[in-house]
Amino acid sequence: GQQLNQSPQSMFIQEGEDVSMNCTSSSIFNTWLWYKQDPGEGPVLLIALYKAGELTSNGRLTAQFGITRKDSFLNISASIPSDVGIYFCAGPRNNNDMRFGAGTRLTVKP
Amino acid sequence: DTGVSQDPRHKITKRGQNVTFRCDPISEHNRLYWYRQTLGQGPEFLTYFQNEAQLEKSRLLSDRFSAERPKGSFSTLEIQRTEQGDSAMYLCASSLRFGTRNIQYFGAGTRLSVL
Repeated sequence: GQQLNQSPQSMFIQEGEDVSMNCTSSSIFNTWLWYKQDPGEGPVLLIALYKAGELTSNGRLTAQFGITRKDSFLNISASIPSDVGIYFCAGPRNNNDMRFGAGTRLTVKP
Repeated sequence: DTGVSQDPRHKITKRGQNVTFRCDPISEHNRLYWYRQTLGQGPEFLTYFQNEAQLEKSRLLSDRFSAERPKGSFSTLEIQRTEQGDSAMYLCASSLRFGTRNIQYFGAGTRLSVL
């Protein structure tokens, strides 16, 4: 089963608003990844985090690796319609397979 | 396009039939992974290869499932005697392990519908 808990499960926001979502785990992870998945497509990597406390940006996206190594946050500033999709956090188990959360579904109203 | 390629994108089959999916990873990547994703869930690990060796299998990979990567390049995932519960998106990912970093890049997936 899934070891990563994402919240919220879904978000409905107006275009231009900022978005914040998070991911928590009962286990420590040494890497946190954030992916975005569009309908009918595979997940696309957005941001990779490698160190506790690390804050990394990719355009309007910013993600942080929690100090406890059991959580991570993703923020999207000034949302636009193409931000619509499902956002997954993921972390490697023993540096092999990836464990995924159940995702946060984002809807942006123009 | 030099990303991960999967074929076919969609497959509709009748219960009891065998199906085979193909994945072509990013060319310099030595690791290849198969995942299954059902509606409303994140991808779940099935198996992975390092070069041609299959190093790990999930308990989700029943005896009806078999994966190969004969020359350490492309991989196939076969499901025998398909069941309706096999309906899902099957995702392939590849990576180049570097130290502790192992970023996986995904293909677009094969969506299987078992009638």
